[in-house]
Amino acid sequence: NAGVTQTPKFRVLKTGQSMTLLCAQDMNHEYMYWYRQDPGMGLRLIHYSVGEGTTAKGEVPDGYNVSRLKKQNFLLGLESAAPSQTSVYFCASSYGHNEQFFGPGTRLTVL
Amino acid sequence: GEDVEQSLFLSVREGDSSVINCTYTDSSSTYLYWYKQEPGAGLQLLTYIFSNMDMKQDQRLTVLLNKKDKHLSLRIADTQTGDSAIYFCAAYNAGNNRKLIWGLGTSLAVNP
Repeated sequence: NAGVTQTPKFRVLKTGQSMTLLCAQDMNHEYMYWYRQDPGMGLRLIHYSVGEGTTAKGEVPDGYNVSRLKKQNFLLGLESAAPSQTSVYFCASSYGHNEQFFGPGTRLTVL
Repeated sequence: GEDVEQSLFLSVREGDSSVINCTYTDSSSTYLYWYKQEPGAGLQLLTYIFSNMDMKQDQRLTVLLNKKDKHLSLRIADTQTGDSAIYFCAAYNAGNNRKLIWGLGTSLAVNP
């Protein structure tokens, strides 16, 4: 099992560009999450999904959109990137009592 | 809203015990977790404790839970340089849409 994988690992964008981050899990988990991690801010939940075809807003959803068309995939989109979105993005998935399994992260820099 | 607080830094000498503390506000939390994040990596679950337990031991790790004070601690015995990482405390309440409430993380530095 690969667990949770994230693509890409690194990306540099210019302000205003768009991109999609892909998260995939092979554990048949119902729940999936997108977090961002910034120094001194800990982990902040952007969006999450409680099942295929469903999404919900977390703490910091502005500027991001998500889709969960297939159970195993959770996509995070930035329509018009801003420097404030420079961060490390983590995807996680869970089943049952919410032990979350994390991907390795995507380091995004917006210039 | 619910909150989880941790001290930000801890420095210990190799071979000593480390104790990382966490307080939480939601008395309905049913599970409390400790995650470890090594530099440049994602988070890994270290251990967790059910709210009806006071203590859980797993090799070098001991988790203590004081429900009355809403205080959780993680003790690492015989701390090694490989234990240097950020340790996150998280609280789970099934009534909160299965979301975890995260602390900001404690950065543990182990000095030789």
